[in-house]
Amino acid sequence: ILNVEQSPQSLHVQEGDSTNFTCSFPSSNFYALHWYRWETAKSPEALFVMTLNGDEKKKGRISATLNTKEGYSYLYIKGSQPEDSATYLCAQPSGNTPLVFGKGTRLSVIA
Amino acid sequence: EAGVTQFPSHSVIEKGQTVTLRCDPISGHDNLYWYRRVMGKEIKFLLHFVKESKQDESGMPNNRFLAERTGGTYSTLKVQPAELEDSGVYFCASSQDQAGLITGELFFGEGSRLTVL
Repeated sequence: ILNVEQSPQSLHVQEGDSTNFTCSFPSSNFYALHWYRWETAKSPEALFVMTLNGDEKKKGRISATLNTKEGYSYLYIKGSQPEDSATYLCAQPSGNTPLVFGKGTRLSVIA
Repeated sequence: EAGVTQFPSHSVIEKGQTVTLRCDPISGHDNLYWYRRVMGKEIKFLLHFVKESKQDESGMPNNRFLAERTGGTYSTLKVQPAELEDSGVYFCASSQDQAGLITGELFFGEGSRLTVL
């Protein structure tokens, strides 16, 4: 059974601080890694889909890296703002199995 | 273009009652997925439709849960009778094809929050 782990479980940062969190996954039979941003009562919003070892993707102040050989991905947020407060989820498909999610990292940015 | 819509957004019922959740996928999307997030835990896969057929229902917790997608358009998920542990957020997602799991063309609804008292 595919197991996707995220750390930390929750994080509190001051506005303006940069932060990062981790998604760990089995390195064998890798297809893709998804990052989502989820605010309660809203749709999980796709941030990145990463498929190649060494991939780096960026969207505004948010970026992500991927290491498929060692089985981890980092999500970075530069200069955190209160509107970045959300739960960040990573997920991985496994063959024909739909996305397997981690528990998420809940980020709170304090103004 | 309308996104994935789910109804109701929140439902509060008593143990033993029945609830039906509805999902309208993006028009033209053959693949429809149901997921559930119980508080403090990960979003877990429940089942997958391709058009009106159940492709994979391995994630359905037990026979109190029944999903349908008659006509291959909208889908319903019925919980009968509801138990306390069924409380959580039920998400629906859709994609045009299964490659969406790789390419990222998988779109989620806002979820239906179910509270069982």
